[in-house]
Amino acid sequence: EDQVTQSPEALRLQEGESSSLNCSYTVSGLRGLFWYRQDPGKGPEFLFTLYSAGEEKEKERLKATLTKKESFLHITAPKPEDSATYLCAVQPLGSGNTGKLIFGQGTTLQVKP
Amino acid sequence: ETGVTQTPRHLVMGMTNKKSLKCEQHLGHNAMYWYKQSAKKPLELMFVYSLEERVENNSVPSRFSPECPNSSHLFLHLHTLQPEDSALYLCASSQDRGHTEAFFGQGTRLTVV
Repeated sequence: EDQVTQSPEALRLQEGESSSLNCSYTVSGLRGLFWYRQDPGKGPEFLFTLYSAGEEKEKERLKATLTKKESFLHITAPKPEDSATYLCAVQPLGSGNTGKLIFGQGTTLQVKP
Repeated sequence: ETGVTQTPRHLVMGMTNKKSLKCEQHLGHNAMYWYKQSAKKPLELMFVYSLEERVENNSVPSRFSPECPNSSHLFLHLHTLQPEDSALYLCASSQDRGHTEAFFGQGTRLTVV
């Protein structure tokens, strides 16, 4: 069964304290892995797409990496405005006809000044 | 402004009511989706439409009825809902049903009383 697990469930950091969020996945084949950011009361906002092991993407203080079993979202010197829930989703091979994404439960990040 | 607009933002309805959620995308995308987000649970895909044709119905109860009159508009018709249907309902769109990133609306917060 296709599955996505994110850890930790919640993370509290001091401003400037770098850390990483983990997304472990189990799929028969990976078409793509996605990271989204969600602020309270809002819809998810697209951050990155990764397609193959070894691939990396960066945006401001965020860097996403991918291996054959997991993805990491590295946050370097975070600021309070980075506080949000970060969602990971995978698109299994064979789901191309439906665009179906399987989401993890998310990691809620709080960055204190 | 994400390019995907949902109305209403909040809705309270009784179990015997009939209401509709509306989604409109201004991105020229061909695929649209309904997701359900309940507290402490991952996003769950409900329906997928591609070029106004339904291509995925993820075992959703018949009290939820989608409608896609054209590639820019998507509705979710609700009738005889249960309190456990209370959730955030998110609409998303992507270039095509097998395409990479999906863009989400702000969601409709539904409360069934």
